[in-house]
Amino acid sequence: AQSVTQPDIHITVSEGASLELRCNYSYGATPYLFWYVQSPGQGLQLLLKYFSGDTLVQGIKGFEAEFKRSQSSFNLRKPSVHWSDAAEYFCAVARQAGTALIFGKGTTLSVSS
Amino acid sequence: GAGVSQSPSNKVTEKGKDVELRCDPISGHTALYWYRQSLGQGLEFLIYFQGNSAPDKSGLPSDRFSAERTGGSVSTLTIQRTQQEDSAVYLCASSLWTENTEAFFGQGTRLTVV
Repeated sequence: AQSVTQPDIHITVSEGASLELRCNYSYGATPYLFWYVQSPGQGLQLLLKYFSGDTLVQGIKGFEAEFKRSQSSFNLRKPSVHWSDAAEYFCAVARQAGTALIFGKGTTLSVSS
Repeated sequence: GAGVSQSPSNKVTEKGKDVELRCDPISGHTALYWYRQSLGQGLEFLIYFQGNSAPDKSGLPSDRFSAERTGGSVSTLTIQRTQQEDSAVYLCASSLWTENTEAFFGQGTRLTVV
């Protein structure tokens, strides 16, 4: 069965420091990959997505993610974290177009001053 | 409407009662998803509708859960004989599900079973 793993349940980063959130998936082919963010009391918002092409994708709010086929990973990065980035981050995977979107359990990001 | 609309936003029900949760997707979106979000459990996939294809029901946790989508638009998630462990936020999302599309989420229905 297809699954998505976010190994880090909770991460704390100092404001201004860099960030990397990990995501691994267990599906052999190149799936459709997404990162969503959920701020406290807010709905889910798409940060970025990867379907094909350049393996480094840029998203909103200064986030980027890199698809690594050999590692079955799609890690989210940001060079300098802002206090407003504190939220829960979800990685999501769909096997192909027209199939269900499966989410990881999420990583909660706290930002310290 | 402009976004995915879910109703009610909050629902408190007694254990053993049936509940219906409604989702109005974005007009023209062919795909519709239901998820359950519990503390520490992320978004648990429940069911997926795509156009006229048979729905993917592989995530429904028990036969107490069912969903339908009428006319390819509005969807209703029904939970029969609710249990306390059904308490969660139920999220609906819709998308075009062609290349380079994303799923847009509603604000969810917070269900509390007492």
